[in-house]
Amino acid sequence: DQQVKQNSPSLSVQEGRISILNCDYTNSMFDYFLWYKKYPAEGPTFLISISSIKDKNEDGRFTVFLNKSAKHLSLHIVPSQPGDSAVYFCAASALNQGGKLIFGQGTELSVKP
Amino acid sequence: SAVISQKPSRDICQRGTSLTIQCQVDSQVTMMFWYRQQPGQSLTLIATANQGSEATYESGFVIDKFPISRPNLTFSTLTVSNMSPEDSSIYLCSVRDNNYGYTFGSGTRLTVV
Repeated sequence: DQQVKQNSPSLSVQEGRISILNCDYTNSMFDYFLWYKKYPAEGPTFLISISSIKDKNEDGRFTVFLNKSAKHLSLHIVPSQPGDSAVYFCAASALNQGGKLIFGQGTELSVKP
Repeated sequence: SAVISQKPSRDICQRGTSLTIQCQVDSQVTMMFWYRQQPGQSLTLIATANQGSEATYESGFVIDKFPISRPNLTFSTLTVSNMSPEDSSIYLCSVRDNNYGYTFGSGTRLTVV
């Protein structure tokens, strides 16, 4: 049972344009959502998070949007830079279910100069 | 956020042998987790390492195969036992620190031959 899904395995974007990465979830008990960036041979690096009481959180070039009714969240990167090329994972947790992170399958973002 | 030192960073092991991975955290944390990322796959939670008690394993993972120790609030080990080529993966430890953030170690890249 895949509770967190990223349906796009890859995304290619031109430098300077917006990157939009999508994530869907099924567990209505999730109350905290995170995005991680991962380079090969490294552990995931935290990017940005959002609590279920909010619908938007912004940090510099990164904005996460949460639509609870649709059980959908998205990460917007604008403007995209070649250094943003990596695999992006969304993750979700439920405090009353042990707080463990459940990850999506990841989306490989490629930003072309 | 917490800083995690994970060792070894990589290893090549013979099938049938065991490898113990260590995670040292620079602060006391209540919750520590062990994940596996198989080639081309997402991060899958193996178990939650509980201080002073047995680890809590996710479906599909058992203590005989992945014994975990958590002797104190700053340290944990994961052993991959009786290894087979299917165990070739990246293994990651993660902690949840007090402000509800999650930090990951840099990972252990295991190849079983």
